Amino acid sequence: EAGVAQSPRYKIIEKRQSVAFWCNPISGHATLYWYQQILGQGPKLLIQFQNNGVVDDSQLPKDRFSAERLKGVDSTLKIQPAKLEDSAVYLCASRDGQGNEQYFGPGTRLTVT
Amino acid sequence: GNSVTQMEGPVTLSEEAFLTINCTYTATGYPSLFWYVQYPGEGLQLLLKATKADDKGSNKGFEATYRKETTSFHLEKGSVQVSDSAVYFCALVSYGNNRLAFGKGNQVVVIP
Repeated sequence: EAGVAQSPRYKIIEKRQSVAFWCNPISGHATLYWYQQILGQGPKLLIQFQNNGVVDDSQLPKDRFSAERLKGVDSTLKIQPAKLEDSAVYLCASRDGQGNEQYFGPGTRLTVT
Repeated sequence: GNSVTQMEGPVTLSEEAFLTINCTYTATGYPSLFWYVQYPGEGLQLLLKATKADDKGSNKGFEATYRKETTSFHLEKGSVQVSDSAVYFCALVSYGNNRLAFGKGNQVVVIP
């Protein structure tokens, strides 16, 4: 079974530029999560989707971050415009409807200069 | 709200030494508890879990017991290997929420 796929793996941009990350969850997993992991900290949930609907986006900085999961499968996370403090690893995870285990992708490491 | 506290600082130890990483939590209701591991350059992987009090999760020689009375879920391994070098995260999720709350993580370095 293929795992959660993310791209790109690394991205370097200047502040005020825009960036987008892509996630393909495990086939059949209805729930998808985006996390932000700042160096030296644990991951923090940004947004949770159930199929193509948003379940929890209470910790998403909506003035600059947006995410969508139009067909209930792939998802994109966008930052526009980026700030220096957005430098982090962005993790995507998915979960099926049975248990509460989340499966994580390898992450995208974003550096904002 | 839910929160997880891990012991401060990296852990450096010699091969075959005993490893303990402390984890305590605050949660509403009866959470499920997890340990995740992150090897260099890789994503988070579930190491073990426990879903109710007194349960013991185990995997790859690692163990952790869900202690409700002390709200703890300490990770232990009797004899570490160099390949165990990684960052270890304690996490919890409350029933009906499915939002994982993570600790800050502990870097473990095992020296040959």
